[in-house]
Amino acid sequence: DTAVSQTPKYLVTQMGNDKSIKCEQNLGHDTMYWYKQDSKKFLKIMFSYNNKELIINETVPNRFSPKSPDKAHLNLHINSLELGDSAVYFCASSQAGEDSGELFFGEGSRLTVL
Amino acid sequence: AQSVSQHNHHVILSEAASLELGCNYSYGGTVNLFWYVQYPGQHLQLLLKYFSGDPLVKGIKGFEAEFIKSKFSFNLRKPSVQWSDTAEYFCAVIPLMEYGNKLVFGAGTILRVKS
Repeated sequence: DTAVSQTPKYLVTQMGNDKSIKCEQNLGHDTMYWYKQDSKKFLKIMFSYNNKELIINETVPNRFSPKSPDKAHLNLHINSLELGDSAVYFCASSQAGEDSGELFFGEGSRLTVL
Repeated sequence: AQSVSQHNHHVILSEAASLELGCNYSYGGTVNLFWYVQYPGQHLQLLLKYFSGDPLVKGIKGFEAEFIKSKFSFNLRKPSVQWSDTAEYFCAVIPLMEYGNKLVFGAGTILRVKS
């Protein structure tokens, strides 16, 4: 009965590969997000979707493509992986729009690019 | 660049010591302020939040934070820490005038409480 679940939790892959991280929330929230936590532990927003519509798209390479098949799912696909993509990626959701600030986070997916 | 700064990356305290974690932000307009906590092996969760009103906000587990507008600060406090408070604490801000109202995080402070 995990509220926000991400898969996989760990992902090790070679440069140049394409990979996806899946996220699902069972909280009935309208808004979902992807955050990236880099080696310095900064959590930076990448994307947010509200009811399957893209709301925030930060300065993220085109190799990153979010897909929201429905409001309970927001998947992150990454093409042509680079060393600098190694990070922990967190999915999150919220109900009342992001200005409420109460985000519910998944446990993170640690991506290591070799 | 506008940002959120947390002054200490690592803090080590003995049980029963008092805690204060600093947080400053550089956004000039109206902001919503938050502290999130990540306990070992768990996901990030909201500790407390401030939108308006009384600048002293109380959260879960005896934590409180004070918003001082003139200092652009939102420091987290707890009078007496417990071993179970060992965790990483993140300050976060929503600058309301910016597009998308996105939540901006500080780099986090790792708190270790010695029993």
